[in-house]
Amino acid sequence: DTEVTQTPKHLVMGMTNKKSLKCEQHMGHRAMYWYKQKAKKPPELMFVYSYEKLSINESVPSRFSPECPNSSLLNLHLHALQPEDSALYLCASSQTRVRDEQFFGPGTRLTVL
Amino acid sequence: QQQVKQSPQSLIVQKGGISIINCAYENTAFDYFPWYQQFPGKGPALLIAIRPDVSEKKEGRFTISFNKSAKQFSLHIMDSQPGDSATYFCAASKNDYKLSFGAGTTVTVRA
Repeated sequence: DTEVTQTPKHLVMGMTNKKSLKCEQHMGHRAMYWYKQKAKKPPELMFVYSYEKLSINESVPSRFSPECPNSSLLNLHLHALQPEDSALYLCASSQTRVRDEQFFGPGTRLTVL
Repeated sequence: QQQVKQSPQSLIVQKGGISIINCAYENTAFDYFPWYQQFPGKGPALLIAIRPDVSEKKEGRFTISFNKSAKQFSLHIMDSQPGDSATYFCAASKNDYKLSFGAGTTVTVRA
């Protein structure tokens, strides 16, 4: 199973809502990533978890809160988002470092009203 | 500051033609150079990757050429097919968790 799954596929939320994005992989990968991608732009790294510990936070605003409950699951909790946060949110995983082939999920299309 | 520069921004090629995308980097610490293919509404997928100890790598119709002295690498898509129409991102990495992506190239293959 070489698949990263993400739910939901689409999410529309107001600026006062709290919502969560979920990512799951069963490849035994120990590194998991959150990226944000705007239309016609490359993915931008947000967070990296390595062995279930937060390894990298690319100065992401605190309205985005990542969580790694176990080695297969990655969540991104969203609160008080702004319209400019509307984007495709991609989850990815790799065995350890990025050179071990990084597998991306299909993404969650987020719209903030 | 973009660490990997990619060109062209877009290209149109006839079916059966060759698509060529170029990337250049500055950081000599980079030692892993993947190419990702992304279809609309999907996440990127690794297409092919190369390390600087080889000058060329071929997988099917896709070939990476790597010029270490010039700090450049390119993707060639031979016999381009309509199903190859997608956005292609080059990237570079050191031995860590970060990928520096190029800006992307939208390839359109006309039947």
